[in-house]
Amino acid sequence: GAVVSQHPSWVICKSGTSVKIECRSLDFQATTMFWYRQFPKQSLMLMATSNEGSKATYEQGVEKDKFLINHASLTLSTLTVTSAHPEDSSFYICSARTKGTSGGTQIYNEQFFGPGTRLTVL
Amino acid sequence: AQRVTQPEKLLSVFKGAPVELKCNYSYSGSPELFWYVQYSRQRLQLLLRHISRESIKGFTADLNKGETSFHLKKPFAQEEDSAMYYCALQAGGTSYGKLTFGQGTILTVHP
Repeated sequence: GAVVSQHPSWVICKSGTSVKIECRSLDFQATTMFWYRQFPKQSLMLMATSNEGSKATYEQGVEKDKFLINHASLTLSTLTVTSAHPEDSSFYICSARTKGTSGGTQIYNEQFFGPGTRLTVL
Repeated sequence: AQRVTQPEKLLSVFKGAPVELKCNYSYSGSPELFWYVQYSRQRLQLLLRHISRESIKGFTADLNKGETSFHLKKPFAQEEDSAMYYCALQAGGTSYGKLTFGQGTILTVHP
């Protein structure tokens, strides 16, 4: 089946530093990748949608200058948390998806989720 | 804007009992609904989607457009069903098919 990996699985950093999280689709080409944030025992909150070769689309309230997203290839997207602060501590999850057509109509295939990255900012 | 509501944060049942996890949605377009499951220390994974109209691990869910609901049901719960369950709605059009998740329901099945 389709596998999505994230690296690192956890990271601890000092306040003010930047952290990069990678999301890779291992056995398929992802036209779209999504980045989510999840607080303990709470829902996933979509942060941004990333399409290969174009700028990411951020959800309302998400600072694009703070959460830099790059989707340079069909198998890799990165999320960089710039100048991280303790309130940025969270569980970050990515998902990847291919796009297809059915009878001439665009369809959205299943999203496959990565295992998540635990970020702790001291 | 779309919204997904799961009214129960916690749900406990005994093994062999029926279980129903509730999900209601609001969306102006034609919705596509999903149930995702997250077992302890594992990644989120798709359980079922309404367009497939299939039963996975004994779970079924029927989309009721009149009541804007997509409740997840299983007639006989098993201990291994204990997990976090998320209902999600996929938007179409120019939204790239992004998912909006409900708050999630933690299901605990007691022996």
